[in-house]
Amino acid sequence: SQQGEEDPQALSIQEGENATMNCSYKTSINNLQWYRQNSGRGLVHLILIRSNEREKHSGRLRVTLDTSKKSSSLLITASRAADTASYFCATTSGYSTLTFGKGTMLLVSP
Amino acid sequence: DAGVIQSPRHEVTEMGQEVTLRCKPISGHNSLFWYRQTMMRGLELLIYFNNNVPIDDSGMPEDRFSAKMPNASFSTLKIQPSEPRDSAVYFCASSPRDWETQYFGPGTRLLVL
Repeated sequence: SQQGEEDPQALSIQEGENATMNCSYKTSINNLQWYRQNSGRGLVHLILIRSNEREKHSGRLRVTLDTSKKSSSLLITASRAADTASYFCATTSGYSTLTFGKGTMLLVSP
Repeated sequence: DAGVIQSPRHEVTEMGQEVTLRCKPISGHNSLFWYRQTMMRGLELLIYFNNNVPIDDSGMPEDRFSAKMPNASFSTLKIQPSEPRDSAVYFCASSPRDWETQYFGPGTRLLVL
């Protein structure tokens, strides 16, 4: 079964707006990662946040992690048409490898 | 570095034929992963290797699927015989450590008629 569940399944916004995607998971984790997948391409790693971290930034990306609620959010600020893609969260727990959610499809319209 | 290399990029075959997918991981990475992605099931981990040794193959659908990693720079995923329900995009990924960032290849789009 999927460990991470992204919400919403799809998101449509205008360029310049912020996009927020959420991820919930079930068991305790070592780290949580966000990936992006453009149509027809492989996944690209965006950011990794460890279980003892609460917030992390990378350029226009901001990730938060709330281990008490078993949830994470990915915020993309000042979105661009090029941000149009599917976004996946993935978690590791114990000695397991990444378990991916089903993703959020983000559409940024010019 | 060229990143993870997969071949072929596209494969169309007929039911019953053998299909072999190939992957070259990033040099120095000691973990390699094979995934399958479909609209219905999302991204599924099929098998992963650590230092060329298969660690977890619980995601391999059935005996028709097999994977090998004869050395640190090459892995294959074989489907024999192939069936239409095997149609999917197959990704290979590598990682410096199996719980850290994974680097994905461009995928092989497989269509079994």
